[in-house]
Amino acid sequence: DAKTTQPTSMDCAEGRAANLPCNHSTISGNEYVYWYRQIHSQGPQYIIHGLKNNETNEMASLIITEDRKSSTLILPHATLRDTAVYYCIVRVRSGSARQLTFGSGTQLTVLP
Amino acid sequence: NAGVTQTPKFQVLKTGQSMTLQCAQDMNHNSMYWYRQDPGMGLRLIYYSASEGTTDKGEVPNGYNVSRLNKREFSLRLESAAPSQTSVYFCASSARDRGLPDTQYFGPGTRLTVL
Repeated sequence: DAKTTQPTSMDCAEGRAANLPCNHSTISGNEYVYWYRQIHSQGPQYIIHGLKNNETNEMASLIITEDRKSSTLILPHATLRDTAVYYCIVRVRSGSARQLTFGSGTQLTVLP
Repeated sequence: NAGVTQTPKFQVLKTGQSMTLQCAQDMNHNSMYWYRQDPGMGLRLIYYSASEGTTDKGEVPNGYNVSRLNKREFSLRLESAAPSQTSVYFCASSARDRGLPDTQYFGPGTRLTVL
C-alpha cells in the first residue's frame, strides 16, 4: 500500500468547513483512497473512499487531484462531535482480506 | 442494523486467567478481523478470517486464538493473559466482494486490563 503523509494536527471553527489534506505521491493506478476517523476511545469509523473521481456522501466530500498524488477530505460544516483523529489510507482494491494500516493521522480539533 | 457488536465492553483479568472476547456482525459480511490498539499507537492486526471456516494470523498473533463460529461471529481467546495484553481490542468486518473496495467496519471495542 502506498505511503501517506498528513499534518499532525489542525483546528477548525465550529460551523466552518474542515479541509484535511493527504499526500500520497506514490499511489498506483489500482489503489483507492480511504478516510477513517477515530473519536476518542471509540472504534474507527469509515467516512468515504474514492479512486479518481470526487466523491460525496452524507458525512463528507473527497477531492482527489487529477494526478491522484494528493487528496482532501472536506467536512462541510464541522461540529464539536467531529473532533477526532482522521486517517487517510491508500490500499488496493482487494479480493483477499488484509490488514488496514493506520498511520498517525491528523488530530482535528473543532473549536466552539 | 447494529453493525459490529462486541462484548464485554470492559474487562479486568489477573495474569494467567483466560477469557474470550465476542464479536458479531449483522451485515452478512464475509471477512472479520481482530485488532489491538495500545495507547498512542495505531491498530495492529491479531487474526483475521477471510471467510467462514478460515482463519489466519495477522501481525501480532502470539498469545491469542480465534474461532469463526459462523458467518456472523468471530471470537478472540486469551488462554493465559499477560500484562502485555492490556489493550483496547477492536473487531471489524468487511464484505470482501469481488471487484469492490474492501471497506472495514469496526465495533466499539473491548478495554482489557491485565493485572
